[in-house]
Amino acid sequence: ETGVTQTPRHLVMGMTNKKSLKCEQHLGHNAMYWYKQSAKKPLELMFVYNFKEQTENNSVPSRFSPECPNSSHLFLHLHTLQPEDSALYLCASSLSGLAGGQDTQYFGPGTRLTVL
Amino acid sequence: GNSVTQMEGPVTLSEEAFLTINCTYTATGYPSLFWYVQYPGEGLQLLLKATKADDKGSNKGFEATYRKETTSFHLEKGSVQVSDSAVYFCALSDLRGGATNKLIFGTGTLLAVQP
Repeated sequence: ETGVTQTPRHLVMGMTNKKSLKCEQHLGHNAMYWYKQSAKKPLELMFVYNFKEQTENNSVPSRFSPECPNSSHLFLHLHTLQPEDSALYLCASSLSGLAGGQDTQYFGPGTRLTVL
Repeated sequence: GNSVTQMEGPVTLSEEAFLTINCTYTATGYPSLFWYVQYPGEGLQLLLKATKADDKGSNKGFEATYRKETTSFHLEKGSVQVSDSAVYFCALSDLRGGATNKLIFGTGTLLAVQP
């Protein structure tokens, strides 16, 4: 596998379920990101991890819980979601999570989440 | 605050037509600018980028020039193909706060190329 991979690609869950999204990067990067892509809205940054440490939480509800056990893996644990949380969840990675203007983010294919 | 504005889509063109997708930005400092492309059912792929004023990014026949005086980064291609049909996102790197490498995206422009 190369690049950024995400599993599962599609997920349907009820509001009382607990599920997790997984992201893995094979690029040797040190920073990983979760974005939410909803219809008709710009991509929303949710979380940023740099060297396994969370450096950004963009006021995300606590029903979304990220976990970054190492620089190559990122999880998003989901619990008691709402139908409005249905969206495409994209993971990205970059060499560094520090602002510098020249560090490109590489995206995975996303997980299409539907909350019933 | 920092923001990106893209032209509303969808943009519908015939094959071999000239493409322009407008993008303007508001930013403090000197952000880098990016175009990402999202093909149906896939994630975002970096198409091209420019890191300073007057830089031209190019890839796969697409070009965009970083224009500081007009705060623009318009995407162009001389002859589009059906395979270029996708959603195109303009983005800038947010340098505020000094700490985190953040991207701010436009809303995306759907391009549909007809044979």
